[in-house]
Amino acid sequence: DTGVSQDPRHKITKRGQNVTFRCDPISEHNRLYWYRQTLGQGPEFLTYFQNEAQLEKSRLLSDRFSAERPKGSFSTLEIQRTEQGDSAMYLCASSLVLQETQYFGPGTRLLVL
Amino acid sequence: KQEVTQIPAALSVPEGENLVLNCSFTDSAIYNLQWFRQDPGKGLTSLLLIQSSQREQTSGRLNASLDKSSGRSTLYIAASQPGDSATYLCAVIGGSNYKLTFGKGTLLTVNP
Repeated sequence: DTGVSQDPRHKITKRGQNVTFRCDPISEHNRLYWYRQTLGQGPEFLTYFQNEAQLEKSRLLSDRFSAERPKGSFSTLEIQRTEQGDSAMYLCASSLVLQETQYFGPGTRLLVL
Repeated sequence: KQEVTQIPAALSVPEGENLVLNCSFTDSAIYNLQWFRQDPGKGLTSLLLIQSSQREQTSGRLNASLDKSSGRSTLYIAASQPGDSATYLCAVIGGSNYKLTFGKGTLLTVNP
């Protein structure tokens, strides 16, 4: 399968715990995006990488959130001290060319108890 | 700030019917517009991408149009099938050049 993959697919955690999600983009895509989607809403932009450089972070990404993309390949999104309001679907996407089709992964569904 | 609105929020139709989903956006300075499909609890599947210089795109039974000046797009689905049941999301790339701004989607149910 050469699509975007995300791991884990589901995560249940207790409030205050740290969680980390991984995204593997389509191999030749140097652009990677993270979005968050809550129930009944469309996805909202979180952050964008071009190769290993993080070029923008949304105001939605509080200090508890950090994203990395070492070596410009896979990316991780870490949430520290999780809160119930962090419960959502976290989606990763990648693209080859700016402004062209973004291909989405299956998402990681996070539930914070 | 770009805002994307989709109407209707939900639509239920009998199998075989042709239907239209609507999308509007407030800032006409867009690079492109994409339509996605999302099945329950799943990620997004790209259906069609229309560049700002284009008026429409077609893929199989799907046809998407774009009227950039009026800030509107429509997704036309011909001869709907139960397998078309899903949430359809419209998204635009605007001045930021890369981030998608999404509508809340239209939940489509096609009844056998």
